Amino acid sequence: GIQVEQSPPDLILQEGANSTLRCNFSDSVNNLQWFHQNPWGQLINLFYIPSGTKQNGRLSATTVATERYSLLYISSSQTTDSGVYFCAVNFGNEKLTFGTGTRLTIIP
Amino acid sequence: EAGVTQFPSHSVIEKGQTVTLRCDPISGHDNLYWYRRVMGKEIKFLLHFVKESKQDESGMPNNRFLAERTGGTYSTLKVQPAELEDSGVYFCASSQDQFAGLHYEQYFGPGTRLTVT
Repeated sequence: GIQVEQSPPDLILQEGANSTLRCNFSDSVNNLQWFHQNPWGQLINLFYIPSGTKQNGRLSATTVATERYSLLYISSSQTTDSGVYFCAVNFGNEKLTFGTGTRLTIIP
Repeated sequence: EAGVTQFPSHSVIEKGQTVTLRCDPISGHDNLYWYRRVMGKEIKFLLHFVKESKQDESGMPNNRFLAERTGGTYSTLKVQPAELEDSGVYFCASSQDQFAGLHYEQYFGPGTRLTVT
């Protein structure tokens, strides 16, 4: 069936470090979004990126649709970056299929 | 511009009771979605409204769940009767109307945490 897999499942880093989160998906996509779930449980939109590369401050994302993966880069990590990062894809209907998330913990 | 809002933020009910969750989408968004995350599992799609019509309700777990969107504005999700396994966080999202195969970004509300005891 259709799958969205994220890696690593957990990541613990020192403040100031860089990180790369990966999202693999099993079929071609119409839409791919990255979210940050903060400690209060809110899903914050990071990127809408079905293909190509986007940057927003210390965060950037790249989706290579032909190879069915997307990467989220976080540079110079801060403690406020902690939380769970979700990748979600739209495979042609309108619903988003979520990955299981990467839990990022930034240690001061 | 206000984001997606949900009410209540938390609800604790006993097994067998009824609970109604509300979602107000971003103004002008015709598409409204419900998702939920039950304990330890990934976030899963429940259903999709386009204005007041149910476009896709393939994710609704059973007939104890009823979603409505009268007038194409806010939506309600009723669980009756609630069971223990319904506990989790219920998210609502909205997006602009689709045109000519274009797909738009979905914006999520803060969620309603439902606990069934």
